[in-house]
Amino acid sequence: GESVGLHLPTLSVQEGDNSIINCAYSNSASDYFIWYKQESGKGPQFIIDIRSNMDKRQGQRVTVLLNKTVKHLSLQIAATQPGDSAVYFCAENPAGTALIFGKGTTLSVSS
Amino acid sequence: GAGVSQSPSNKVTEKGKDVELRCDPISGHTALYWYRQSLGQGLEFLIYFQGNSAPDKSGLPSDRFSAERTGGSVSTLTIQRTQQEDSAVYLCASSLLAGGSYEQYFGPGTRLTVT
Repeated sequence: GESVGLHLPTLSVQEGDNSIINCAYSNSASDYFIWYKQESGKGPQFIIDIRSNMDKRQGQRVTVLLNKTVKHLSLQIAATQPGDSAVYFCAENPAGTALIFGKGTTLSVSS
Repeated sequence: GAGVSQSPSNKVTEKGKDVELRCDPISGHTALYWYRQSLGQGLEFLIYFQGNSAPDKSGLPSDRFSAERTGGSVSTLTIQRTQQEDSAVYLCASSLLAGGSYEQYFGPGTRLTVT
């Protein structure tokens, strides 16, 4: 079935570097996408979202890019900090209700 | 304000026993969702409730799984005759309304281990 996936299961960066986490989706009907951060032992936490009528959206230290042509979503984290270490999931909301999640990318930030 | 709470935080049960997992959504949120997260996997949708409408049960993996939401607030997910493959973290989320850009707020989850 259609699903949202991530390109890499793990990403290791140095503190202060910029991180880019990628996601490919397959449901062309999706018009809303979200990035979540999940720390160990906790539930997912909303980071940023984007609608399909946008290509880019910026938050505090985070930017989400959407390329509908190739069905690609990315999360950029500027000046990555140790506190950013977590599992990052992209999700889509094609039917407007339940989220479809990818498998996640584990980001490890070393000092 | 208070977020989504779930209980118990951990549950160990023997194969074949029934378990009940509880979710208290954020006050005023009309939509409530249950997801399952197996080890190293993404979240899998199970069921969602919106107001007084019939729940969307399309994600429930078998008829051993059921859920109810009493009074439009607290929800209970019941797993009957548990199997080892049911071991996972069960996450509950709520949102003000269902759909669109209404952010889903997640609870900390219940870690279920079936021995």
